Amino acid sequence: GAVVSQHPSRVICKSGTSVKIECRSLDFQATTMFWYRQFPKQSLMLMATSNEGSKATYEQGVEKDKFLINHASLTLSTLTVTSAHPEDSSFYICSALDGGRDTQYFGPGTRLTVL
Amino acid sequence: QKEVEQNSGPLSVPEGAIASLNCTYSDRGSQSFFWYRQYSGKSPELIMFIYSNGDKEDGRFTAQLNKASQYVSLLIRDSQPSDSATYLCAGLYNFNKFYFGSGTKLNVKP
Repeated sequence: GAVVSQHPSRVICKSGTSVKIECRSLDFQATTMFWYRQFPKQSLMLMATSNEGSKATYEQGVEKDKFLINHASLTLSTLTVTSAHPEDSSFYICSALDGGRDTQYFGPGTRLTVL
Repeated sequence: QKEVEQNSGPLSVPEGAIASLNCTYSDRGSQSFFWYRQYSGKSPELIMFIYSNGDKEDGRFTAQLNKASQYVSLLIRDSQPSDSATYLCAGLYNFNKFYFGSGTKLNVKP
């Protein structure tokens, strides 16, 4: 299957700092990438849809000024959690849409812990 | 509102048995359906997808799609303890919008 990488895999930061997470599609071009968040023992929650060269589309209840998404190229999307707080601690997972197969592939996830 | 629904389980089956996971969807416009497996603490990994009515087989896995009844299922033959995970069903709508079910937890007992 297609490969999507995510970096870093784990980050611990102090409250008030910003954290950037990178998502890369390694063997296909992804015009669309998705960002999810998952709390322990809960379902995936879609945060936003990221389209290359345009503004991201955020789901209801997700603050766009807090979760900044940039999709600068067909293989890279970044999520920046600004002024992170302990309640932002979660498992953040990106995915990339392989348009040729109409299939979504997930990155390995980033576990964020805000102290 | 487009919805994909799954029984949260847990579904328990003995090793070697067939595990049957089911999913229903509300939007007849959905083009394709996907089954993902998610181990605890890990991200989902794609098992298989299906877009035509009928069965699609891949190794021990068979996906079934019935568009008239709006359900998708995943059969796992010869279940192994390593198959124990949460299985997510997803529907694709409008070629770039995915709707996920909440997942079914499967336990395969040795």
